[in-house]
Amino acid sequence: GENVEQHPSTLSVQEGDSAVIKCTYSDSASNYFPWYKQELGKRPQLIIDIRSNVGEKKDQRIAVTLNKTAKHFSLHITETQPEDSAVYFCAASGAGETSGSRLTFGEGTQLTVNP
Amino acid sequence: NAGVMQNPRHLVRRRGQEARLRCSPMKGHSHVYWYRQLPEEGLKFMVYLQKENIIDESGMPKERFSAEFPKEGPSILRIQQVVRGDSAAYFCASSPYPTLETQYFGPGTRLLVL
Repeated sequence: GENVEQHPSTLSVQEGDSAVIKCTYSDSASNYFPWYKQELGKRPQLIIDIRSNVGEKKDQRIAVTLNKTAKHFSLHITETQPEDSAVYFCAASGAGETSGSRLTFGEGTQLTVNP
Repeated sequence: NAGVMQNPRHLVRRRGQEARLRCSPMKGHSHVYWYRQLPEEGLKFMVYLQKENIIDESGMPKERFSAEFPKEGPSILRIQQVVRGDSAAYFCASSPYPTLETQYFGPGTRLLVL
């Protein structure tokens, strides 16, 4: 089955700096890669996603890049703000007729933005 | 347009009791997924259901756990004879189509087994 690894597990940045979180996946048939933000005690919320026919996608301060050859994808947050502090999860899905629906998550990155 | 609903939000059970967790998907969504999140860990897939069908239950423990999504009403995740290791947050997600589609998560049910 799919295996997703995420690094770093913790990331601390100063307000205004950029933050980068990286994920690798094992199943080359995966073709959908969402990123979720989870604040303490809250539900995971989708912040951006990318499909395998696209190499990069941007939404204001957030961007995601995908390298299918290397099987890795990254989340970039620019001009970080204290309210960006949360746990961020990457995920992969799309491989297999029935198993392709499930999301396989990375272990998460605790991002702290210091004012 | 209401989002994914889950209840109860918090559930306390003693060892050996049964836990029933309910999930109502977003309007128009017929695909439901259950994930479990242990304290300070990532989310792990448990089961994927469509109305009246279990499509993928490869993440479900073999014993004590079951799930259903009846023609009418919410999806139910049932845990029989709970043990302390079942304490976790259980999230339900829904999507309009099975693959390559955004899954929207509910607020979760936090189960505590005493």
